[in-house]
Amino acid sequence: DSGVTQTPKHLITATGQRVTLRCSPRSGDLSVYWYQQSLDQGLQFLIHYYNGEERAKGNILERFSAQQFPDLHSELNLSSLELGDSALYFCASSVGDLHEQYFGPGTRLTVT
Amino acid sequence: GQQLNQSPQSMFIQEGEDVSMNCTSSSIFNTWLWYKQDPGEGPVLLIALYKAGELTSNGRLTAQFGITRKDSFLNISASIPSDVGIYFCAGQRTTDSWGKFQFGAGTQVVVTP
Repeated sequence: DSGVTQTPKHLITATGQRVTLRCSPRSGDLSVYWYQQSLDQGLQFLIHYYNGEERAKGNILERFSAQQFPDLHSELNLSSLELGDSALYFCASSVGDLHEQYFGPGTRLTVT
Repeated sequence: GQQLNQSPQSMFIQEGEDVSMNCTSSSIFNTWLWYKQDPGEGPVLLIALYKAGELTSNGRLTAQFGITRKDSFLNISASIPSDVGIYFCAGQRTTDSWGKFQFGAGTQVVVTP
């Protein structure tokens, strides 16, 4: 158990819908990262927040957005969902920017 | 797409054999991480490397930060069935924002008794 929690574990929804994925970092960690993992793309970095502020963006679509709240939990919002958005979404946390990242168990999103 | 070249893509080995895999890039890195992922689970951190030439062990696992800072290696000695899984390297390039890691495509390890 990495100490990073993610909810829900599974999510099945239809195209065009909007979903919110939630992540709670390890106690004491200020950084939260979101990744997408699909079969043909591997682990893709989406976005990084540090202590509530956006620090870095990866290949995140405009339909996706995220935020980190004052209690340091983070949410990833996915809207206008498409079939290709079906993937595992992982959250990771670390103490700061330079430290090793610990991954949560992931949310499996299926868009039908 | 993938910025790191991780090889081999898969390995089929017998229990007790040693395993070696590596990640290479044309970019210079300041951090290397190695993870193991079981099906349907999140990646689990195995080893973190922060200095060129650094050699770090974690049980039967040994990883090295390449001296050129463009590559890293992971070795598993005396493999056992529970070593089965996908191993990923992740590197933070000196040109990237802090906290932004590139991931290799993974090495799938299958251990047969």
